[in-house]
Amino acid sequence: DIQMTQSPSSVSASVGERVTITCRASQGIGSWLAWYQQKPGKAPKLLIYAASNLQNGVPSRFSGSGSGTDFTLTITGLQPEDFATYYCQQAISFPLTFGGGTKVEIK
Amino acid sequence: QVELVESGGGVVQPGRSLRLSCAASGFTFSNSGIHWVRQSPVKGLEWVALISYDGGNKFYADSVKGRFTVSRDNSKNTLYLEINSLRVEDTAVYYCAKDNIFGVATALQYDGMDVWGQGTTVTVSS
Repeated sequence: DIQMTQSPSSVSASVGERVTITCRASQGIGSWLAWYQQKPGKAPKLLIYAASNLQNGVPSRFSGSGSGTDFTLTITGLQPEDFATYYCQQAISFPLTFGGGTKVEIK
Repeated sequence: QVELVESGGGVVQPGRSLRLSCAASGFTFSNSGIHWVRQSPVKGLEWVALISYDGGNKFYADSVKGRFTVSRDNSKNTLYLEINSLRVEDTAVYYCAKDNIFGVATALQYDGMDVWGQGTTVTVSS
């Protein structure tokens, strides 16, 4: 199974700051990676697909990069509605696997 | 609007069975592969199963293989998850979600799980 390791597991940041979340795959996954945002009591919401493509309707302050084993989700100019938990997920092979999540908290 | 709606969750005793449903609307259900994903505080987000657009291909997590069965009825735009021999560790919120793998068109890239249901809670307890 491909392990997806996210770091940090939590981060405290202020509105307007830049936040970077990393996701490392235990083996190469090309660009078969997605990023999701989840708020308490809600289903995950797709932010980024194919590692670097912004899903329709998602604000441009979100961006994704990387390929192979190392990936990054960046939020440039954190907004109050961005405080949530973020997950990466690989889809190059079964079982599909998710990272452990990164909780973005208010500083 | 594009929507997935799960139902069928509840509180069940270990060893019993349950059938979850996922009703789709607003998109061509019969063109899409659909996943079951579950989430618990202990294990986080865990992929459970995928069924291809036509039901011809099914994939399962090792933790559920042999106990869970995914199926679909494209005439009813509905996905099912039959869960047998329930264990305490199956306690979770179960989501259905669609993406572009094992859809009617070959996926040349991963477009992500773009539509999720609201989830249905399964609690296994004696």
